[in-house]
Formats: sequence, C-alpha cells, structure tokens
Amino acid sequence: GAGVSQTPSNKVTEKGKYVELRCDPISGHTALYWYRQSLGQGPEFLIYFQGTGAADDSGLPNDRFFAVRPEGSVSTLKIQRTERGDSAVYLCASSWGQGNTEAFFGQGTRLTVV
Amino acid sequence: AQSVTQPDIHITVSEGASLELRCNYSYGATPYLFWYVQSPGQGLQLLLKYFSGDTLVQGIKGFEAEFKRSQSSFNLRKPSVHWSDAAEYFCAVVGGYNKLIFGAGTRLAVHP
Repeated sequence: GAGVSQTPSNKVTEKGKYVELRCDPISGHTALYWYRQSLGQGPEFLIYFQGTGAADDSGLPNDRFFAVRPEGSVSTLKIQRTERGDSAVYLCASSWGQGNTEAFFGQGTRLTVV
Repeated sequence: AQSVTQPDIHITVSEGASLELRCNYSYGATPYLFWYVQSPGQGLQLLLKYFSGDTLVQGIKGFEAEFKRSQSSFNLRKPSVHWSDAAEYFCAVVGGYNKLIFGAGTRLAVHP
C-alpha cells in the first residue's frame, strides 16, 4: 500500500488477555518504530527495528511487551497479560533508515483493556 | 537525555489570527527537529523539519518554524489560522537510532 497500515484500528480486550497488533510499513522501508500514545500525551518510543532485528528496545515498559519483524517487513507488537494501564493508541512508523530520519506514521491501533 | 517541552497545553485563537506554538528542546548536539499535526482519528502528519542550514523552515499548509539555537527553541508559526487547523500539534527531536522524542503536544482550537 501507499502508506503505513495498522490493524486492527480498534481493539477491546479483557484484562489478562493476550493481544497482537500488526504494522505493515511502506514498501522498501527498512526502519520500523513502535510508539505508544496515552491520552493527553505525546507518543512515546517503544522499539526500533532495522531490518529484522530490534536495534533498540529500550522503550518497552516491561517483559509483557514483545515485538517481532521476522521478514523485515510486517511487524507485530505482542502484549501478554494485558492490564488496564496498557490502554493507549499504539502507533507504528517506518522510514528508509540509514540516516534518513523522516518517519511516516500509521493511523494507530486504539487498545482498550477493560 | 534528550527532551522536548511544549509549554502550552491548549491554545485558542480566532480564525484569521496569527499563531505561534512554542517548543523547547534539550539536546547536546545539533538537533534534528520536527513538527507533526494530529487531527482526531488521524495519524501523525509531518508539517516541517529542520536538519541544518537555513534556520527558518517552511512547511505544508502555510506553516513555518524557526530554529533558535541560543534559546533551544523551534517555534511553529502561521500568519493566518484557518478553522481546519484545529488539531493537536507535536514537536519532536530525533534521538539515538533516529527515534523521535515528542513533546506532550499543544491542542489548538479555532474560533470562527
């Protein structure tokens, strides 16, 4: 597609459940980022992939959060044992990487944990 | 550590009035700076960016921003605001691995 695609756009889950959020970056973009945006806040960095590897996962809040990008394209953010505090909009962005810092964002997945 | 401060949480202006949104950053070296806009239900859209060179940068939708190293600022301006400019605006600085460090945002309301 022409832009970064994120699915689902909305996800409601029960506390304690497992969720997966998907990001399909712009074709050819080697860099992929996940951010979390809580209500009334700016996006906060979670993890960065260059190709298939996570080059920087310093923003993941705890070990319940994990992300993969097995083929260097689509990425999945996985959250185990969800908590109400995980409720937020999860944003994905991609860029050409290697010094080109202009990132293109998807519309996000709004996660609500009830 | 890098950080971005947007001092104004909420700003209201009249349509046709001028606008300035403030952004202050903390960064050791020459920063790469961005302004993004987020409309309700929409993703983040890049308005403009500063990497180097001319400190006054022009963006889309009639916005401009000026980089002032001495003040660690990168304020966003528009000479005449339109009702469609109502949105949330985020300033960001590039940190390690090209990740973006965002401010908390400024919500702009436009009165007719």
